Amino acid sequence: DAKTTQPTSMDCAEGRAANLPCNHSTISGNEYVYWYRQIHSQGPQYIIHGLKNNETNEMASLIITEDRKSSTLILPHATLRDTAVYYCMGRGYSGAGSYQLTFGKGTKLSVIP
Amino acid sequence: KAGVTQTPRYLIKTRGQQVTLSCSPISGHRSVSWYQQTPGQGLQFLFEYFSETQRNKGNFPGRFSGRQFSNSRSEMNVSTLELGDSALYLCASSLVRQGTEAFFGQGTRLTVV
Repeated sequence: DAKTTQPTSMDCAEGRAANLPCNHSTISGNEYVYWYRQIHSQGPQYIIHGLKNNETNEMASLIITEDRKSSTLILPHATLRDTAVYYCMGRGYSGAGSYQLTFGKGTKLSVIP
Repeated sequence: KAGVTQTPRYLIKTRGQQVTLSCSPISGHRSVSWYQQTPGQGLQFLFEYFSETQRNKGNFPGRFSGRQFSNSRSEMNVSTLELGDSALYLCASSLVRQGTEAFFGQGTRLTVV
């Protein structure tokens, strides 16, 4: 799986867009980029994933650079409930049913009132 | 539809004992993976099961084992518990398909005293 690099922490004002960057320069061609978040002591929550096209769902948007070496998760209107640790990772399919997720340290996002 | 269900939610055990944790995946999901989360090591992959077979294993001692049943439900077992096994144990389920997301349960908080 790709090694990812994320900032340790970020602040965002409530109501503003939160843009969380991730570097995954070693990602391989068949690895999808996944984003999860974890609110204290709860199970990680799936947010969004993509291969090479930008993606949007009801929670967030994912912008992947053309060379796929980095991506940005965008929370369009951050609320206090978005305060969490955000994890970016690559996840490939080995063909043998193996889907290991490799979590780094993530970015602690604090949404400020 | 129902999410991933882990039981029990909390558990206190004594050093040297063994423990069994249970995970019921989302209906239709055949891949189940387990993770350990501690403050010092973060989220670490334990193992993954598909079609009742272990497909992938993380770097944990043999005291950690698991199995999957024909209905895709999974259990993990830790024998000869040590204080360092105190952690949040998380289970995730997914479809067996490239580019699909994994969904996590709320975890089992194990405390070893």
